[in-house]
Amino acid sequence: QKEVEQDPGPLSVPEGAIVSLNCTYSNSAFQYFMWYRQYSRKGPELLMYTYSSGNKEDGRFTAQVDKSSKYISLFIRDSQPSDSATYLCAMSAMRGNNRLAFGKGNQVVVIP
Amino acid sequence: DAEITQSPRHKITETGRQVTLACHQTWNHNNMFWYRQDLGHGLRLIHYSYGVQDTNKGEVSDGYSVSRSNTEDLPLTLESAASSQTSVYFCASSEDPGTYLFFGPGTRLTVL
Repeated sequence: QKEVEQDPGPLSVPEGAIVSLNCTYSNSAFQYFMWYRQYSRKGPELLMYTYSSGNKEDGRFTAQVDKSSKYISLFIRDSQPSDSATYLCAMSAMRGNNRLAFGKGNQVVVIP
Repeated sequence: DAEITQSPRHKITETGRQVTLACHQTWNHNNMFWYRQDLGHGLRLIHYSYGVQDTNKGEVSDGYSVSRSNTEDLPLTLESAASSQTSVYFCASSEDPGTYLFFGPGTRLTVL
């Protein structure tokens, strides 16, 4: 079983719809969770960063962490064509000398 | 503004040649990383460094080497390029390696 599982998609939605993305993981020690957005032929950029369980909201984006189910989600409200990108989840167990575990990424296409 | 730059952005080389990809960051981060990104595999860690003169192997380090002589730079060398090393390479840096990374724009390498 891979440490982090993420459905690669692609996921196509009409403009204005809610986009729902998720990752599952196996390592119960993970407590730092990130979502990256990667446009075509660009480097990943940090979108959301959360610690432990709970929700975090930033504009149209909401990140949720459910540690009991080992499940994290990213919601994009009122999706725009500019949200078309690949979204990668990442997580780690501790600060300091540790490395991130990445999902393979989920491609999202928002159709005007 | 602080940033990470990579050069070249595109490179075509032949099997057996030595190739060096440059990475330069102005964040003054101690922690630097090299990843490769391939369809179906996501981001895979090649090498990383937690400071000057420190280097460590990642999960796909065979055929690659790095050296860290200063805080700003972590060049990646392919000792004898192979077609299997055709990929997109991303450099990243972080203030804390257990949390989020800042990525460079990537280098697209083709080995013929």
